[in-house]
Amino acid sequence: EAQVTQNPRYLITVTGKKLTVTCSQNMNHEYMSWYRQDPGLGLRQIYYSMNVEVTDKGDVPEGYKVSRKEKRNFPLILESPSPNQTSLYFCASSLNWAGELFFGEGSRLTVL
Amino acid sequence: KNEVEQSPQNLTAQEGEFITINCSYSVGISALHWLQQHPGGGIVSLFMLSSGKKKHGRLIATINIQEKHSSLHITASHPRDSAVYICAVTVGGNEKLTFGTGTRLTIIP
Repeated sequence: EAQVTQNPRYLITVTGKKLTVTCSQNMNHEYMSWYRQDPGLGLRQIYYSMNVEVTDKGDVPEGYKVSRKEKRNFPLILESPSPNQTSLYFCASSLNWAGELFFGEGSRLTVL
Repeated sequence: KNEVEQSPQNLTAQEGEFITINCSYSVGISALHWLQQHPGGGIVSLFMLSSGKKKHGRLIATINIQEKHSSLHITASHPRDSAVYICAVTVGGNEKLTFGTGTRLTIIP
């Protein structure tokens, strides 16, 4: 089954404790991206990747890092989480940068 | 001003009504997406358009590139259509995706 898998789905952590949210797709998609969704602000793009070893900033990249060492995986790294990074995070992939998007189920992160 | 504006923000209708949700954008685009998000749920892609019109079941999406406007129509609406509908655009020459704030649709039986 074609899917985008995110883990963890729910996480409560404390300020400054590094964490990684994983994202994996099994569709051989070139394009992968991360978004955060906040009430009243909607979805905003954090980072995206056009292909292996190619990543670029979206609209809200501060406080986040990404890597794309393999085509199927695109982890989101929070080196030193802060409470303003409490949010619902979505990973998505598509065949290319203008293709149909496939979203993961979302990861709800709370930073205390 | 947001690059992507949706209207209405909230819409409540009776089952069976014809629904229209609008999306206007202020930049040149290479693609426009319509997404659906059920309460507490994930996000599903409904349509990806670069021109013209697409139909899938009871859903129809249209785009007018010259007027920078897209509409999502739902015919014979049903309570299971209750969800947030989100418009997103890929700005031309740029791989970034910019989202509208969504339209919350509630269909009453």
